[in-house]
Amino acid sequence: DTEVTQTPKHLVMGMTNKKSLKCEQHMGHRAMYWYKQKAKKPPELMFVYSYEKLSINESVPSRFSPECPNSSLLNLHLHALQPEDSALYLCASSHPYKLPTSRNEQFFGPGTRLTVL
Amino acid sequence: GIQVEQSPPDLILQEGANSTLRCNFSDSVNNLQWFHQNPWGQLINLFYIPSGTKQNGRLSATTVATERYSLLYISSSQTTDSGVYFCAVEPQSGAGSYQLTFGKGTKLSVIP
Repeated sequence: DTEVTQTPKHLVMGMTNKKSLKCEQHMGHRAMYWYKQKAKKPPELMFVYSYEKLSINESVPSRFSPECPNSSLLNLHLHALQPEDSALYLCASSHPYKLPTSRNEQFFGPGTRLTVL
Repeated sequence: GIQVEQSPPDLILQEGANSTLRCNFSDSVNNLQWFHQNPWGQLINLFYIPSGTKQNGRLSATTVATERYSLLYISSSQTTDSGVYFCAVEPQSGAGSYQLTFGKGTKLSVIP
């Protein structure tokens, strides 16, 4: 099973709302990622979790708060967002970096299209 | 950081035509992936190809790691091939990070 799932597919929120994006994978991967993609641009990395620990934070504002409750789940908690945060948010997973028998091939979910009013 | 350049930025093809997309990168890489992003935003894995040649149906890819480029070939294109094709790389240098750097993509439109 090479599937990464994300919920919700679409989300509209006001600037004062708190919401969460969810991501799940059952491929036995121990690295999970959040990316942000603006229209007509490539995806940009936000966070990396390895073995459920945050290993990379690409200077993302604190209004985005990631959480990895277990090896299959990844959440992104949103609070006090700005209209410019409207984008497609993509989750991905892979085997952890440089395991001898694995490769860092990343698999992506379908994304959550977020609109901030 | 590593630079990834894709060409052409836009490509319009008649159905049935063949095409070649190019990805140049500025440093040695551990990982190179080709993705197809469909109109709904889903990134679909096409190839994991840090070196060598692979084929999957009408698609094939070649990466010449020593010369720092990769090519994606699409033969007998279909309208369902439309979308944006991204090349993404993970550099060998740096902190051994998981970071995929994406090129800006090639937008392919296949017309009937």
